[in-house]
Amino acid sequence: QSALTQPPSASGSPGQSVTISCTGTSSDVGGYNYVSWYQQHPGKAPKLMIYQVSKRPSGVPDRFSGSKSGNTASLTVSGLQAEDEADYFCSSYAGRNNLVFGGGTKLTVL
Amino acid sequence: EVQLLESGGGLVQPGGSLRLSCTASGFTFSSYAMTWVRQAPGKGLEWVSAISGSGGNTYYADSVKGRFTISRDNSKNTLYLQMNSLRTEDTAIFYCANVVTGTGWASDYWGQGTLVTVSS
Repeated sequence: QSALTQPPSASGSPGQSVTISCTGTSSDVGGYNYVSWYQQHPGKAPKLMIYQVSKRPSGVPDRFSGSKSGNTASLTVSGLQAEDEADYFCSSYAGRNNLVFGGGTKLTVL
Repeated sequence: EVQLLESGGGLVQPGGSLRLSCTASGFTFSSYAMTWVRQAPGKGLEWVSAISGSGGNTYYADSVKGRFTISRDNSKNTLYLQMNSLRTEDTAIFYCANVVTGTGWASDYWGQGTLVTVSS
């Protein structure tokens, strides 16, 4: 159960778009359309932003979008806002009743 | 309103035991699988364990298999995590969360977490 690989940091100016990658293997990200993305502000619980690669829970702005190609999933935040500054974690079902998370990406809004 | 409230965290010596609880409200608890996820200080999220809605199926990360036991009491709307043979590397905030059916274990409701510190 190796963690998924995310860049430790990402940044963008207000109004810009930023994409965060999440790389796994054919046993997790590449093998299932079960990638989720979570946003976590300091001292807070994670919040589900994207599930099943590209679906948004109700209440999540459409500025957040997800995609996948091969063993790499991506989260794109468009029209960056100050409140988007947070840590972002991806997760993927990894078969045999296992779930694996990425190491997290700290998104800074410049 | 959905609420998940963890309790039972604290300071324990290496080799010791602790039982975490997560009390749920605002949804039909027995209809949902539940999961525990932990986060070491300043680190990322790590999946720990999950349990089916009935409690009949349980799943564990390799890092805790044989030491932790997940269970639930649907009559009390409560999820548990019994942690034995604790190690310093188990130090983390432990979150309970629901599992949204059919989403590959996505969780849309999380508790605020309870801190477990394993130290001598």
